[in-house]
Amino acid sequence: GEQVEQRPPHLSVREGDSAVIICTYTDPNSYYFFWYKQEPGAGLQLLMKVFSSTEINEGQGFTVLLNKKDKQLSLNLTAAHPGDSAVYFCAVSEPGTGSNRLTFGKGTKFSLIP
Amino acid sequence: EAAVTQSPRSKVAVTGGKVTLSCHQTNNHDYMYWYRQDTGHGLRLIHYSYVADSTEKGDIPDGYKASRPSQENFSLILELASLSQTAVYFCASSLRENSDYTFGSGTRLLVI
Repeated sequence: GEQVEQRPPHLSVREGDSAVIICTYTDPNSYYFFWYKQEPGAGLQLLMKVFSSTEINEGQGFTVLLNKKDKQLSLNLTAAHPGDSAVYFCAVSEPGTGSNRLTFGKGTKFSLIP
Repeated sequence: EAAVTQSPRSKVAVTGGKVTLSCHQTNNHDYMYWYRQDTGHGLRLIHYSYVADSTEKGDIPDGYKASRPSQENFSLILELASLSQTAVYFCASSLRENSDYTFGSGTRLLVI
């Protein structure tokens, strides 16, 4: 089945700096991708859903890039601020299973350097 | 507002005891899931369900049972809790294939 590798596991930057989290997946037939944000003590909240037909997706304060050739999905946080501190997960929808199973990366703990 | 509600928020259980984690959704979603979260492992799928009265095994079903008595409710049952089942458990729901999940706030389970 699908496997997802996410890196780095930890990421610290100064306020105002940018940061990149990368996920690599294995199944070339995957075509739905997700980024979730988990704040301390809370469940996961959807940041963005990405379709394979769109390579660049912009949100508020971040950009998601999909590189189908290399089977990579990246989350680029621009101008980090305290509200960005959280654990971020990528997820890939397993194609053709009918179950809507998502395979998650192991997460990236993102924090600001004081 | 559509939501996924888990209960209890936290629980301490004794080894060998029975534990039931409950999940209730008001999203009118057909799909429901139980994941566990452990440091270093991310989220791993335990059981899921397409429809009421039917459940499917996920990637790590051993030691867990699931029950889906209605579209809104999905329970996770640990018949004989073990120390290795200490984790945070998340319930989620989704509308259809390739749609995103709505997650509950999680249940923190400590088995002693």
